[in-house]
Amino acid sequence: SQQGEEDPQALSIQEGENATMNCSYKTSINNLQWYRQNSGRGLVHLILIRSNEREKHSGRLRVTLDTSKKSSSLLITASRAADTASYFCATDAWGAQKLVFGQGTRLTINP
Amino acid sequence: SAVISQKPSRDICQRGTSLTIQCQVDSQVTMMFWYRQQPGQSLTLIATANQGSEATYESGFVIDKFPISRPNLTFSTLTVSNMSPEDSSIYLCSVVETVTYGYTFGSGTRLTVV
Repeated sequence: SQQGEEDPQALSIQEGENATMNCSYKTSINNLQWYRQNSGRGLVHLILIRSNEREKHSGRLRVTLDTSKKSSSLLITASRAADTASYFCATDAWGAQKLVFGQGTRLTINP
Repeated sequence: SAVISQKPSRDICQRGTSLTIQCQVDSQVTMMFWYRQQPGQSLTLIATANQGSEATYESGFVIDKFPISRPNLTFSTLTVSNMSPEDSSIYLCSVVETVTYGYTFGSGTRLTVV
């Protein structure tokens, strides 16, 4: 399985602080995506970064990708209580036409 | 982006019975994906469903246990057959967006087998 590893498994920070989550994967990818899941409900697509990109921004989100290390990070700046959720990275490998998910990070933002 | 209607949202079922989960998409899509999320775990792909052909199952999942139908380009069903408590999970369907290549997910079916 090319399922990736995420760390930390759980992260608890104060509102207003930045949160960083890391993801590692095993095979060559077409793109890597980050998703948010609130309380075991459906997943929300946050951001997609292609294999030829190194950094991408969307609002308070910043994603980096290092294909040489097969790793990615998601930074959430100026966190809010509403950011409390589980965050998953997922890889779309070349030719695979499917997403494979990492183990996820449970983020808690304390007011 | 596509909108997916998934039902039921939750169910409690007796062991040995079967449950069929439905996903309706508001646009035509080539591939639909079915995932399982066991309690406290990440998502695992069960199978990929193409219209007009048999679904492609991932390692560890078999058609007899998880039969899938894909009668047209907007609809699919997943059946969880002969259920046991180990089947208690959230089941989600998904489609890939043709413009962004991100995936859109249904809201999930929370299944409890007693």
